[in-house]
This record gives sequence, C-alpha cells and structure tokens, in this order.
Amino acid sequence: DIVMTQSPDSLAVSLGERATINCKSSRSLLDSSNNKNYLGWYQQRPGHPPKLLIYWASSRQSGVPDRFSGSGSGTDFTLTISSLQAEDVAVYYCQQYSSTITFGQGTRLEIK
Amino acid sequence: QEQLVESGGGVVQPGRSLRLSCVASGFSFSKYGMHWVRQAPGKGLEWLALIWYNGSNEKYADSVKGRFTISRDNSKNTLYLQMNDLRVDDTAVYYCARDIKGTDVWGQGTTVTVSS
Repeated sequence: DIVMTQSPDSLAVSLGERATINCKSSRSLLDSSNNKNYLGWYQQRPGHPPKLLIYWASSRQSGVPDRFSGSGSGTDFTLTISSLQAEDVAVYYCQQYSSTITFGQGTRLEIK
Repeated sequence: QEQLVESGGGVVQPGRSLRLSCVASGFSFSKYGMHWVRQAPGKGLEWLALIWYNGSNEKYADSVKGRFTISRDNSKNTLYLQMNDLRVDDTAVYYCARDIKGTDVWGQGTTVTVSS
C-alpha cells in the first residue's frame, strides 16, 4: 500500500499570509505513460464532507479560488494558499489515486 | 447538479449487520467507478472499497476485507455497502464518492454507531 505523510500536522497562519502544506508518498505517483501525478488535495470544514481542490497534483478544480495551488512530482507535493482567508480554516488532506486510494493524516490550518 | 445522498446509518450492536445506500443524481451513474470512505470521530479519512463502473470488479481495504461488500444497481443509480460483523471501531461517518480525478463528488455522509 502507498503511505501518504503530511507535514505539518497543524499550522497557524495570519490572515493574508501564505500557507504551505507538504505531502510525501512512499512510492512515486508519476505515471510516465501520461506524465500525470495521481495526487489530489482536499479541504474539509467541520461537519462537511471533503471538497476536491486540486487534482493531477496541480490542476485546480472548477470553482476553487486561484489562491489555492498545487505543485510537486514523483513523491513530494505541496499545497499552497497564497493569501489566507478566514474561510480557509479547515483540515487539508492529500490523496493518492495511483493505486486504489489512500489519504494523508491531515493538516489542521488555523488563523494566527 | 451532481449529487450523492447516503442513507442507512444508525446505531447497531457489535456483531450485527447494516446496509448503507448511496443514491446518485445529476450525472450518468453507470459510467463511473464509486468508492466508500469513512471517518471515525475526530480522525482522518479512510478508504474502504471501490467498485468498477459496471460492477465487474471490486477492491477493499484490508481493515474491511471479508466483512464489507460493495455493490451497485445501475438501473437504480444506487451504490451499496453491506457491512457484516460490525465492530465498535467501525463507528464512523460513511461517505460515498465518485471515482474521477481521485474523488470529485462526495455525499454528505451517513453516521454508523456500533455500541452495545
């Protein structure tokens, strides 16, 4: 099974500042046949289901604000929120879908 | 709009069974693989099972293999999760999700509590 490890476990950032969350997979998520990384990022607010933000490691889902961006390839990936807004307080998960699905343990993002 | 609605959760004693349902609307259900994912109270997301778009294949997490069965009825736009021999640590919110771009559409979840 592919293990996904996020860092940090929690993060406090001031409004308007940048937030960065990292995700490392135990195996490469890059498919050389199509040059796609099978990695997604999700936001989960309390009492709500997860919401897809980023897929293929760097493609923004329709309707997601452009302050959210994803980067990385192979085994190391990053979710960046360029200018933190109050509504971004949530838990963020990375997910690999190269081999069934596994999630990272989650990163709790709060306002400093 | 594309929507998934789960039902069937409740309080059940250890060792008993429960069947969850997930009804899809707003998209061609029969064209997509579907997943079940759960979240124990205060914990992270745990993938449970995947079924192919036509029901021809299934995959399971080791934690539920042999106890849970995923199935679907494309004529009813409905996904199922049959859960047998339930344990206290199966207590969670259970979500169904569509298999595209990872999992792009999720239901609101149904809560299963296993307690004596």
